[in-house]
Amino acid sequence: AQTVTQSQPEMSVQEAETVTLSCTYDTSESDYYLFWYKQPPSRQMILVIRQEAYKQQNATENRFSVNFQKAAKSFSLKISDSQLGDAAMYFCAYSPMEYGNKLVFGAGTILRVKS
Amino acid sequence: DSGVTQTPKHLITATGQRVTLRCSPRSGDLSVYWYQQSLDQGLQFLIQYYNGEERAKGNILERFSAQQFPDLHSELNLSSLELGDSALYFCASSVSGTSGNTIYFGEGSWLTVV
Repeated sequence: AQTVTQSQPEMSVQEAETVTLSCTYDTSESDYYLFWYKQPPSRQMILVIRQEAYKQQNATENRFSVNFQKAAKSFSLKISDSQLGDAAMYFCAYSPMEYGNKLVFGAGTILRVKS
Repeated sequence: DSGVTQTPKHLITATGQRVTLRCSPRSGDLSVYWYQQSLDQGLQFLIQYYNGEERAKGNILERFSAQQFPDLHSELNLSSLELGDSALYFCASSVSGTSGNTIYFGEGSWLTVV
């Protein structure tokens, strides 16, 4: 079974600085999708970024970028110029290439942003 | 606002009771998903429907059932409720039901079983 591991239960970053959240996953598949979702205190799940495993280029969305290392099965999220509004729980998720479209989530990392 | 609408937002009920959670997907989305978020089990995929048909099944208990109606809204029925069923239940939707399709989540329905 596919599993997603987020080894950092909690991280802190100073406003305007850069932070990296770690994620590893376990799969025997060669094609799949990876996502980072943000869950602020409102509990809404917000898509931050997605990566297709067949693409070597790392995805970027404004201040958010990923470091996708397929061989190492690693998918970290880098947040640059951190803002107070970035404070949230961040979930890494894996989506296998199979019938259907389910997401397998990690346990999450709480990100605190200090002013 | 993701465009996925869930009702009710909060619900408190007693053990042994039955509740129904309702979801309207984003306009144009054909696939609906249900996820459960609890303190002990994290975020878990329950079930997926595509255009009225069940597409994929996850860790959904036999006491739970879901369906997607012709107008594409979905309902999750939870019966014989136990204390451990207390959780945040998310509905989500996507345009198609195929792998990798971006999934958009609603705000969730908080269920408290007392």
